[in-house]
Amino acid sequence: NAGVMQNPRHLVRRRGQEARLRCSPMKGHSHVYWYRQLPEEGLKFMVYLQKENIIDESGMPKERFSAEFPKEGPSILRIQQVVRGDSAAYFCASSQDRGETQYFGPGTRLLVL
Amino acid sequence: EDKVVQSPLSLVVHEGDTVTLNCSYEVTNFRSLLWYKQEKKAPTFLFMLTSSGIEKKSGRLSSILDKKELFSILNITATQTGDSAVYLCAAAQGGSEKLVFGKGTKLTVNP
Repeated sequence: NAGVMQNPRHLVRRRGQEARLRCSPMKGHSHVYWYRQLPEEGLKFMVYLQKENIIDESGMPKERFSAEFPKEGPSILRIQQVVRGDSAAYFCASSQDRGETQYFGPGTRLLVL
Repeated sequence: EDKVVQSPLSLVVHEGDTVTLNCSYEVTNFRSLLWYKQEKKAPTFLFMLTSSGIEKKSGRLSSILDKKELFSILNITATQTGDSAVYLCAAAQGGSEKLVFGKGTKLTVNP
């Protein structure tokens, strides 16, 4: 049973470009969470999605960031017009149901030049 | 503001030592406390604690939650070099399902 998959594992972008991060949850999981980890900081919650629905986006910056989890395909975290401060590791987690354990993917390390 | 505080931030021990990692939390609508081990990749799940005073064990690792005093500890006995990692503590909140993480404890086990 494959775990949570994320790609790409590393992403380099120049300021102003767009970054698209993908997350495929574990088989049988329909709840997806995105977290960001800045250097020397703990993981910070960004957004919680179920299929086709955003449940909680209280941790998402108001501008440039968006997330989706379509009926088919992976969840996508999209960052438009990236800035250097967006450089971080972005982790996706999934769970089978609300309140169940969240299992994490290996993360995407974004570097903005 | 919701917060989780872990201590110590880093710890260096020798193989065979026993270590205790601490985690205190203040979060609204607390539901459960989770421990993860993070090496250079995905945080891997260790324990989920929901009830006070009930110890959970997995091999040389054990953990317990005190919901009255709002803290949890993670014990590792007979440490091995493979235990070297950052150990993350997170509080799960009901309703939003988000996890509030501490900054982690970096454990280094020297041979």
